[in-house]
Amino acid sequence: GAVVSQHPSRVICKSGTSVKIECRSLDFQATTMFWYRQFPKQSLMLMATSNEGSKATYEQGVEKDKFLINHASLTLSTLTVTSAHPEDSSFYICSTTGQGAYEQYFGPGTRLTVT
Amino acid sequence: KNEVEQSPQNLTAQEGEFITINCSYSVGISALHWLQQHPGGGIVSLFMLSSGKKKHGRLIATINIQEKHSSLHITASHPRDSAVYICAVRGGADGLTFGKGTHLIIQP
Repeated sequence: GAVVSQHPSRVICKSGTSVKIECRSLDFQATTMFWYRQFPKQSLMLMATSNEGSKATYEQGVEKDKFLINHASLTLSTLTVTSAHPEDSSFYICSTTGQGAYEQYFGPGTRLTVT
Repeated sequence: KNEVEQSPQNLTAQEGEFITINCSYSVGISALHWLQQHPGGGIVSLFMLSSGKKKHGRLIATINIQEKHSSLHITASHPRDSAVYICAVRGGADGLTFGKGTHLIIQP
């Protein structure tokens, strides 16, 4: 099956700094990538949908100026958490659709801790 | 927006037992996914269903489109099956809407 990688797997940063998370599709072209986050003991929630070459579509309640998404190539999407706050501490996961358009392949996730 | 309900929320069983996890949703979908999440957080896609039934090893997933309901079954459960099992649905080209997950513990 398709492989999606994320980097870093864990990051600890200080409040006010920015953190970039990379999501790569390793063996296929991903025109659409989804970014999710999961707070402790909560379900995953869709943050935004990223399409290659165009602006991301953000879900209600997700600040586009705080969570910057760039999808400049068919194999790489990045999520930058700007001016991070402790409440941004969460598990961030990307996924992309496969060739069948309905299959979803998930990255291993990035655990962000903001101190 | 689709509402996804899973039951039970928590399930503890003995090794070898037959396990059933249920998922219901409120709005018609294009596909339903069963996912497995281990303590480290990584997610593995177990099944994607749009109709009928699928089987992979000891895992069986079924879906009833008319009733908006799906079940995940584990036969001959084993401690390594202990994980959070998540039902997620998709409408069209949108991202997934997730259930809250079922925490499964299989005791030796």
